[in-house]
Amino acid sequence: EVQLVESGGGLVQPGGSLRLSCAASGFTFSSYWMSWVRQAPGKGLEWVANIKQDGSEKYYVDSVKGRFTISRDNAKNSLYLQMNNLRAEDTAVYYCARGRASYWGQGTLVTVSS
Amino acid sequence: DIVMTQSPLSLPVTLGQPASISCRSSQSLVHSDGNTYLNWFQQRPGQSPRRLIYKVSNRDSGVPDRFSGSGSGTDFTLKISRVEAEDVGVYYCMQGTHWPLTFGGGTKVEIK
Repeated sequence: EVQLVESGGGLVQPGGSLRLSCAASGFTFSSYWMSWVRQAPGKGLEWVANIKQDGSEKYYVDSVKGRFTISRDNAKNSLYLQMNNLRAEDTAVYYCARGRASYWGQGTLVTVSS
Repeated sequence: DIVMTQSPLSLPVTLGQPASISCRSSQSLVHSDGNTYLNWFQQRPGQSPRRLIYKVSNRDSGVPDRFSGSGSGTDFTLKISRVEAEDVGVYYCMQGTHWPLTFGGGTKVEIK
């Protein structure tokens, strides 16, 4: 059974940093692109970033370029999102997703507020 | 970026009746590999999104056959043949052909 479990969310002040993690199991992690998708409270879905199987290609939505970094550790079956210089508009539930969003985790809430 | 436009925004449906959601993309979703990466997701209240349909018309494992997807190019449709109470939630289309991946704004299905 495919499982994606996010962690690392929480309350952070504007300008602060957080690192999200996603632990994957039930499939060959190193064979898939992986993505982060977010959902602001009461809003729709927004793809944030994704990373190729070997980490050689990474793509970001414009609003997070230069502030967020996606990475992965295939030996640990883990996906990460380093978020720096956080803004209020980054407040959202962040989901880890496999490939073209075939499977999703349960999400982790990031709240940016003073 | 590809803009995905869903309609209607809200869809009140009587139990047992059909429902249909439209999704239009600002560009063709036919990939250079010949596939059309148009997915449909269901998000029940308080839950993560769940993929229902991939590549326009393929149902994911465990998805009831009352859900069906169709369309081509830039126009796509999700149909529920007979709405059940468990179908309440928000439905999103998503294109996976062009980077960045983009989602429609969502259609809220509710029971009349």
